[in-house]
Amino acid sequence: NAGVTQTPKFRVLKTGQSMTLLCAQDMNHEYMYWYRQDPGMGLRLIHYSVGEGTTAKGEVPDGYNVSRLKKQNFLLGLESAAPSQTSVYFCASKETGREANYGYTFGSGTRLTVV
Amino acid sequence: GESVGLHLPTLSVQEGDNSIINCAYSNSASDYFIWYKQESGKGPQFIIDIRSNMDKRQGQRVTVLLNKTVKHLSLQIAATQPGDSAVYFCAENFDNFGNEKLTFGTGTRLTIIP
Repeated sequence: NAGVTQTPKFRVLKTGQSMTLLCAQDMNHEYMYWYRQDPGMGLRLIHYSVGEGTTAKGEVPDGYNVSRLKKQNFLLGLESAAPSQTSVYFCASKETGREANYGYTFGSGTRLTVV
Repeated sequence: GESVGLHLPTLSVQEGDNSIINCAYSNSASDYFIWYKQESGKGPQFIIDIRSNMDKRQGQRVTVLLNKTVKHLSLQIAATQPGDSAVYFCAENFDNFGNEKLTFGTGTRLTIIP
């Protein structure tokens, strides 16, 4: 049981380049989330999905797009990377239902640097 | 907008002593609160959670207290150990008709002094 797997773990991009971050979970969770974490700050929600084929904006969605074509995968895309998008990106998934303990499971992060 | 904040950005505690980390939240409709521990280079690690219909919950060496009147959370860690050194975040969960989102505070860095 791998939990939540993020790829790649590290990436350096040049300004204007595009890339896709992949999040995969094997727990059959309905909800998935993308967060970014800047130095000395908490995680901020970029986009999220409450089920296959659905996505919604979080706190800081500008400059990012997402897709959830399969339940187990949640993709985060940067169409034209900017230095302000240098950050550590975390993916999370969640069980539904109030009785679930340890509801949110986080991946280990993708460290992205845009130069 | 809604936010979750922390009173102290850093906290140093002698090994073996108890520590208390505080957190203020602003969304009175949040129904679920979680404390996470984050070590350098790693993702958030679940510590303990509490639902809004409770005011106290205990785990192994950790206790979370919730005061809804003043919108305040605290995390108590008993008999601290060097491995407790990390950044601790509180987070609040808000369920808007099936759209659940978790909002994080900025974190408190806890340092355990040997």
